[in-house]
Amino acid sequence: DAGVTQSPTHLIKTRGQHVTLRCSPISGHKSVSWYQQVLGQGPQFIFQYYEKEERGRGNFPDRFSARQFPNYSSELNVNALLLGDSALYLCASSPSPAQGSYEQYFGPGTRLTVT
Amino acid sequence: AQSVAQPEDQVNVAEGNPLTVKCTYSVSGNPYLFWYVQYPNRGLQFLLKYITGDNLVKGSYGFEAEFNKSQTSFHLKKPSALVSDSALYFCAVWRLGGSYIPTFGRGTSLIVHP
Repeated sequence: DAGVTQSPTHLIKTRGQHVTLRCSPISGHKSVSWYQQVLGQGPQFIFQYYEKEERGRGNFPDRFSARQFPNYSSELNVNALLLGDSALYLCASSPSPAQGSYEQYFGPGTRLTVT
Repeated sequence: AQSVAQPEDQVNVAEGNPLTVKCTYSVSGNPYLFWYVQYPNRGLQFLLKYITGDNLVKGSYGFEAEFNKSQTSFHLKKPSALVSDSALYFCAVWRLGGSYIPTFGRGTSLIVHP
């Protein structure tokens, strides 16, 4: 079975631009979460979506937004990029939080560089 | 507020020796605790979790973790280390029953020497 897939793998953007990152969960998983991992640090939680609804939000500015589609894939959007947004963005899927299944299956990430 | 501390940036151990990677946490209420491993240029992989029940949790690749409520710790252990265990290890916590907002530690680099 295919794991979590993310696109693109690498991305270079300029300050002030907008970026969209994409994630496809493992087949059958209905929940998607997004994390930001800055070099040398642990992942920081951004959002969780389940059944197309936002179920959790981390401490990130409103420049960050996300959505989940009917096929459970997801997009993370970041507006007005700052140099500090440079990081590895991880997507993770899980079967069903409602069933207490919160272990996450992570994708390989999208490396975003803002210049 | 919740937090996770991984007090060691790096742990060095010889192959075949037991290993311990430390994690302490702070959370209001009952914790939901995880360990993940990250290999270079790859995403995180789930190792094990603790919700309730036995304080000793067994996970993937021979790893186990011991939950200690009084010390608010959840140390990762393995009886005999392999060179292939060398990776970055992350502990994570969130409050059971609350909104899903997990907190990850900064990570501990495990280096197993042949």
